[in-house]
Amino acid sequence: DIVMTQSPDSLTVSLGERATINCKSSQSVLHSSKNKNSLAWYQQKPGQPPKLLIYWTSTRESGVPDRFSGSGSGTDFTLTISSLQAEDVAVYYCQQYYSPPYTFGQGTKLEIK
Amino acid sequence: EMQLVESGGGLVQPGGSLRLSCAASEFTFSSYSMNWVRQAPGKGLEWVSYISSSTNTIHYADSVKGRFTISRDNAKNSLYLQMNSLRAEDTAVYYCATRTEKGAFDIWGQGTMVTVSS
Repeated sequence: DIVMTQSPDSLTVSLGERATINCKSSQSVLHSSKNKNSLAWYQQKPGQPPKLLIYWTSTRESGVPDRFSGSGSGTDFTLTISSLQAEDVAVYYCQQYYSPPYTFGQGTKLEIK
Repeated sequence: EMQLVESGGGLVQPGGSLRLSCAASEFTFSSYSMNWVRQAPGKGLEWVSYISSSTNTIHYADSVKGRFTISRDNAKNSLYLQMNSLRAEDTAVYYCATRTEKGAFDIWGQGTMVTVSS
């Protein structure tokens, strides 16, 4: 199984500042025919289902603000929120969808300072 | 608006069974693979099971293999999860989610709560 490890577990950032969440996979998640990494980021607010933010490492889902960006290669990936807004308070998960089981990271709780 | 609605959750005793359903609307359900994902109270997300659009490929997490069965009825735009031999550790909110050509899980239901307790 591919293990997804996020860091940090929690993060406190001031409004308007940058937030960075890291995700490391235990092995490559490169989809060879697409030459893209099968890595997604989700946002989950209390009492709500997860919401897809980013897929194929860096493709923003329709309607997601451009302050959210994804990057990475190999086994190291990053979600960046360029200027934190109050509505970004949530738990963020990375996920590999390269091979089953489609494992998630343990989550990173993002709060406002 | 594309939508998934889960139902069938509830309180069940250890060793019991439940059948969850997920009804899809406003998209071509038969074209997409589907998944079940669960979240224990206060915990993270755990993928449970996958079924391809044509049902010819099915996968399970080791934690549920042999106890849970995923199925779908494309004519009824519905996904199912038959859960047998339930354990306390199966207590969670269960979400259904589509997997479209994006690869990731892009449409999620609101979830249905399953509580396994005596």
